[in-house]
Amino acid sequence: ETGVTQTPRHLVMGMTNKKSLKCEQHLGHNAMYWYKQSAKKPLELMFVYNFKEQTENNSVPSRFSPECPNSSHLFLHLHTLQPEDSALYLCASSQGSYNEQFFGPGTRLTVL
Amino acid sequence: GQQVMQIPQYQHVQEGEDFTTYCNSSTTLSNIQWYKQRPGGHPVFLIQLVKSGEVKKQKRLTFQFGEAKKNSSLHITATQTTDVGTYFCAGPSWGGGNKLTFGTGTQLKVEL
Repeated sequence: ETGVTQTPRHLVMGMTNKKSLKCEQHLGHNAMYWYKQSAKKPLELMFVYNFKEQTENNSVPSRFSPECPNSSHLFLHLHTLQPEDSALYLCASSQGSYNEQFFGPGTRLTVL
Repeated sequence: GQQVMQIPQYQHVQEGEDFTTYCNSSTTLSNIQWYKQRPGGHPVFLIQLVKSGEVKKQKRLTFQFGEAKKNSSLHITATQTTDVGTYFCAGPSWGGGNKLTFGTGTQLKVEL
């Protein structure tokens, strides 16, 4: 499946590094999402963008900074992360509020 | 806030046995969606149920939406090793918004 792509697939970073995760959807959807998935935890919604506008920030620490330049691209800028931020970060898109979401393959992030 | 719980958290079955996971929401849902995440993979949409009491089938999978639209179930008949993965239910967050609340997930392992 190539509807939603994410880069990089794996990332190892130190606590003082700055890095960015990229997501691109080729489905013409108007909503994009960032989720965090930690081991043995349910999917945690982080941010929602609808028509490039942020409509949800689920109490995410400011060390995570999203950017949505257009309806097809979504970034997650990372800085001064903590080891507990190590997780799988999933991007998803959907057409409309209640329709199925299409997920990307995720970025496996390890913070040392 | 809205909570979506799933039971059981884990299930080990022998190949050929049946499997059921139950999803319970603290609030009424306009619809319920089911996703499957294979080990090392990302969630993939399976189905959406909208009507009270609705039942849908996909080959060996049977999905049901409760009459009160607060619970749902997924039943797999005669499990196969290809059914291995974590099954999540998800419903639109109460109060609207462009987001889904995902359940806690049921991890299924199938042994030969």
